[in-house]
Amino acid sequence: DGGITQSPKYLFRKEGQNVTLSCEQNLNHDAMYWYRQDPGQGLRLIYYSQIVNDFQKGDIAEGYSVSREKKESFPLTVTSAQKNPTAFYLCASSPKGLGVNTDTQYFGPGTRLTVL
Amino acid sequence: GENVEQHPSTLSVQEGDSAVIKCTYSDSASNYFPWYKQELGKRPQLIIDIRSNVGEKKDQRIAVTLNKTAKHFSLHITETQPEDSAVYFCAAGNTGGFKTIFGAGTRLFVKA
Repeated sequence: DGGITQSPKYLFRKEGQNVTLSCEQNLNHDAMYWYRQDPGQGLRLIYYSQIVNDFQKGDIAEGYSVSREKKESFPLTVTSAQKNPTAFYLCASSPKGLGVNTDTQYFGPGTRLTVL
Repeated sequence: GENVEQHPSTLSVQEGDSAVIKCTYSDSASNYFPWYKQELGKRPQLIIDIRSNVGEKKDQRIAVTLNKTAKHFSLHITETQPEDSAVYFCAAGNTGGFKTIFGAGTRLFVKA
């Protein structure tokens, strides 16, 4: 669990402001993911990255942006274009490649974003 | 698009009883089915997973079954304990792919 971290734990933002959520992993995992979790709902995929300098849109990418300049880091920016950004944001990583458990995703502790 | 349906949304059992959570998936290419447990305010944690080349897998009080023909898979928890109370998520993915679809979750209450 300690191998993937997110900061901050709680984040408050005023409407119209961009905000960046941090996600770092020291597990040497190739793939990283960002999910959004709303109360009583499952996890919805925002963006994912298979390798450094490459990322793909998930199901709800509008209003979000990411970068993957380093293998261990996958920051998520919530822009002012995101209509309803208040949610719990979870970052995850997985080893990928060949092997038995290469699909298992390991989650960070999450960031709870509140827009005031 | 692909989806995963999970039932029930809420489940309440007496301590010591069994709990069963069921999921169905739509993508026939799915071949990896993890289950995650999420306690309040914490991260989801993998508790068990199954791949499409087996029909059942067991780990102590937890078991998962898979019916590929019907596209169903289920989580079985026996001898439930209060610490089993949490939200459980099923998911379906494709080995080598990068998209895992999650169910909406089941909130399990185990009454002492």
